[in-house]
Amino acid sequence: EAQVTQNPRYLITVTGKKLTVTCSQNMNHEYMSWYRQDPGLGLRQIYYSMNVEVTDKGDVPEGYKVSRKEKRNFPLILESPSPNQTSLYFCASSSGPYLTGELFFGEGSRLTVL
Amino acid sequence: GENVEQHPSTLSVQEGDSAVIKCTYSDSASNYFPWYKQELGKGPQLIIDIRSNVGEKKDQRIAVTLNKTAKHFSLHITETQPEDSAVYFCAASPYTGANSKLTFGKGITLSVRP
Repeated sequence: EAQVTQNPRYLITVTGKKLTVTCSQNMNHEYMSWYRQDPGLGLRQIYYSMNVEVTDKGDVPEGYKVSRKEKRNFPLILESPSPNQTSLYFCASSSGPYLTGELFFGEGSRLTVL
Repeated sequence: GENVEQHPSTLSVQEGDSAVIKCTYSDSASNYFPWYKQELGKGPQLIIDIRSNVGEKKDQRIAVTLNKTAKHFSLHITETQPEDSAVYFCAASPYTGANSKLTFGKGITLSVRP
């Protein structure tokens, strides 16, 4: 089954404790992206990647890091989480090196930073 | 950059009635306009999209119309059913390869009353 898998789905952590949200897709997609969803703000792009070792900032990259060492994986790293990073996070992928059509989203990771 | 706005922010309709969700965009270079549906606890999923060389597109009970002159596009759902209750996001993109960026609206919550 074609899918984007995120882990963990739910996480409660404390300020400053490094965490990683993993994302993996099994569709051989080149384009991958991270979004955060906050009430009243919709979906905002954090980082995206057009291929292995190619990443770039989205609209709200502050406080986040990403890496793309393998085509299927695109982890989101919060080096020192803060309460304003409490949010619902989505990983998404799309075929081709660019955003050329449908985005396939994971089921989301709800993060709470205390 | 692109700014996408959705109106209204919430919409409630009686089962069987039609629902219309409107979006406006600011960047005249945008030429790809998808609509995503997000059910409770899930990631957004593409339901229909339209490109600027087409004025209207229909898929069963769902249709999208585009007015490039006025810079707005709308989602039309006919014969609404309870399972249509969800958050709907519109988006816009210039669809220009490496510069492609999908900008989402803030989302609208549609409630279909049985």
